[in-house]
Amino acid sequence: DGGITQSPKYLFRKEGQNVTLSCEQNLNHDAMYWYRQDPGQGLRLIYYSQIVNDFQKGDIAEGYSVSREKKESFPLTVTSAQKNPTAFYLCASSIIRGGTGGTEAFFGQGTRLTVV
Amino acid sequence: RKEVEQDPGPFNVPEGATVAFNCTYSNSASQSFFWYRQDCRKEPKLLMSVYSSGNEDGRFTAQLNRASQYISLLIRDSKLSDSATYLCVVNALSGNTPLVFGKGTRLSVIA
Repeated sequence: DGGITQSPKYLFRKEGQNVTLSCEQNLNHDAMYWYRQDPGQGLRLIYYSQIVNDFQKGDIAEGYSVSREKKESFPLTVTSAQKNPTAFYLCASSIIRGGTGGTEAFFGQGTRLTVV
Repeated sequence: RKEVEQDPGPFNVPEGATVAFNCTYSNSASQSFFWYRQDCRKEPKLLMSVYSSGNEDGRFTAQLNRASQYISLLIRDSKLSDSATYLCVVNALSGNTPLVFGKGTRLSVIA
């Protein structure tokens, strides 16, 4: 089945540790995104990538890093520099339709990260 | 002004009621508009795209008013299963700008 897979679903991290969240898609989408959602809040953009080996910071990139070595994969690393990393992390992908703006995005099931 | 604004609700309505959500956006260059649904502790899922001419999908109707820069979603004959948070989503012309999400409007349909 085509889709976006995030892993793990739940992740616990000790303070001071870096962790990497996986995101893989087999939809052949060009663009991939990472959002963070806190309880009762909207989605905030962390990073996005529209092409392999290129990515841009979103609104809250500090304390996070990403890579896009393959079209299918867009892992997110939450570093120890992120002061408040406990949140629900959502990965999404979309095609890019030139000249008429972006298309709808499809989401993975999310990763709940808790710092203990 | 926030890029995408929605009334956070909650909207508590009885089964069978009609409910409408509005959303305003600040970027007049926006070209693509969507409504997403998010259930508690789940990922957002596309409910419907919003076209300039308005569009309908069963009990759901979406409309776009470019002049006023607002989008609406109408749900008729509400079901218990419609209880969720509805997210208004906007994308700018260039395609280089990712989707911008509103904070969502929470709907509770009560028996």
